[in-house]
Amino acid sequence: QQPVQSPQAVILREGEDAVINCSSSKALYSVHWYRQKHGEAPVFLMILLKGGEQKGHEKISASFNEKKQQSSLYLTASQLSYSGTYFCGTEGEGSNYKLTFGKGTLLTVNP
Amino acid sequence: ETGVTQTPRHLVMGMTNKKSLKCEQHLGHNAMYWYKQSAKKPLELMFVYSLEERVENNSVPSRFSPECPNSSHLFLHLHTLQPEDSALYLCASSQDPGALGTGELFFGEGSRLTVL
Repeated sequence: QQPVQSPQAVILREGEDAVINCSSSKALYSVHWYRQKHGEAPVFLMILLKGGEQKGHEKISASFNEKKQQSSLYLTASQLSYSGTYFCGTEGEGSNYKLTFGKGTLLTVNP
Repeated sequence: ETGVTQTPRHLVMGMTNKKSLKCEQHLGHNAMYWYKQSAKKPLELMFVYSLEERVENNSVPSRFSPECPNSSHLFLHLHTLQPEDSALYLCASSQDPGALGTGELFFGEGSRLTVL
């Protein structure tokens, strides 16, 4: 069962912040975040594991609420290079190798 | 060559043709994946191979047939496809963490398939 992402799209001006949400109806073991630019391969951003710590990568960080089966991706002081489609992928307890992705959130950062 | 490479990058085929997609990874990983990416749909997991054994077949029609001859190569054999099979087919690899779940995936740039 695929996770649900929101919003579907967001437009920012350079320097603004954004939050992308990902929620699942099943108990999760991990949440993965990827970014895909148009015509390119998806690129890994981070993995959050059940019981793990909040992750961060430069100005992009994420949290994982295990009780609510939700994750949020935080982009602060956005840059033009942040534009792309962000996908969350989720893996349930005991469902190894079965990473299921959401439909994605299209982020556009304008000058 | 580095990373994950896929060939061909573009493929047009008729419904009665037989073709194959090839994926090669140069990262020393031991798990490989096929994903399908259609417009306005999420990435769909098709097949997973770990240590050259198929560990996941996500209810994919038999007109798609995977093959993993070794840990560096993955093929997707296609036959009697339907127009709705037109999509971007992405290959990925990872280091198999075993019971710890799917690790970081390294994707290729994909093979754009059009079925006429």
